[in-house]
Amino acid sequence: GQQLNQSPQSMFIQEGEDVSMNCTSSSIFNTWLWYKQDPGEGPVLLIALYKAGELTSNGRLTAQFGITRKDSFLNISASIPSDVGIYFCAGTTNSGGSNYKLTFGKGTLLTVNP
Amino acid sequence: GAVVSQHPSWVICKSGTSVKIECRSLDFQATTMFWYRQFPKQSLMLMATSNEGSKATYEQGVEKDKFLINHASLTLSTLTVTSAHPEDSSFYICSARYAEGNQPQHFGDGTRLSIL
Repeated sequence: GQQLNQSPQSMFIQEGEDVSMNCTSSSIFNTWLWYKQDPGEGPVLLIALYKAGELTSNGRLTAQFGITRKDSFLNISASIPSDVGIYFCAGTTNSGGSNYKLTFGKGTLLTVNP
Repeated sequence: GAVVSQHPSWVICKSGTSVKIECRSLDFQATTMFWYRQFPKQSLMLMATSNEGSKATYEQGVEKDKFLINHASLTLSTLTVTSAHPEDSSFYICSARYAEGNQPQHFGDGTRLSIL
């Protein structure tokens, strides 16, 4: 089946630093999504990407849909303590219809030291 | 943004009890709902997908008689863990999306299930 390789697995950074994480796939995806999950809660959608090459920002977050359609990255600028959490990439090869199914990366655990 | 409400958030019950978890989409029609299970420090594992009015499609290895899914309306899906045992203890998360066009999945806040 489809697999997503998400890296790094974990990051320990100082407040104010920039962060970058990425996902790669062996398959071509036509949608990439980035979620953040806080402990004991469900994932919250951060950014959705639908076109190859698309670069989208959400506040201090920026994500890009790779031109090959097999990768995506998420950048966080000027990190703050509340950025702590697990970040998941997710993708699908079928954006609509009954065959829609998200494949998830294994997550990047981000720790921000004040 | 889209809101998915999941209830209860936390359940503790005795072995052999059946437990029902509700998932509601509050501001959109959820033509498709998904149920996930998540173990500590791991990613989300899809258990089943349900389209409104249809039988759920279960992933390989998930017992459909053990995890009963109902999606009777465009705003409500339920997961019933039947005759739960300690090994069923986990974090269960529902998700919903409107299936037309490029609509992303939105997740509920999860249900922590502990079977004693």
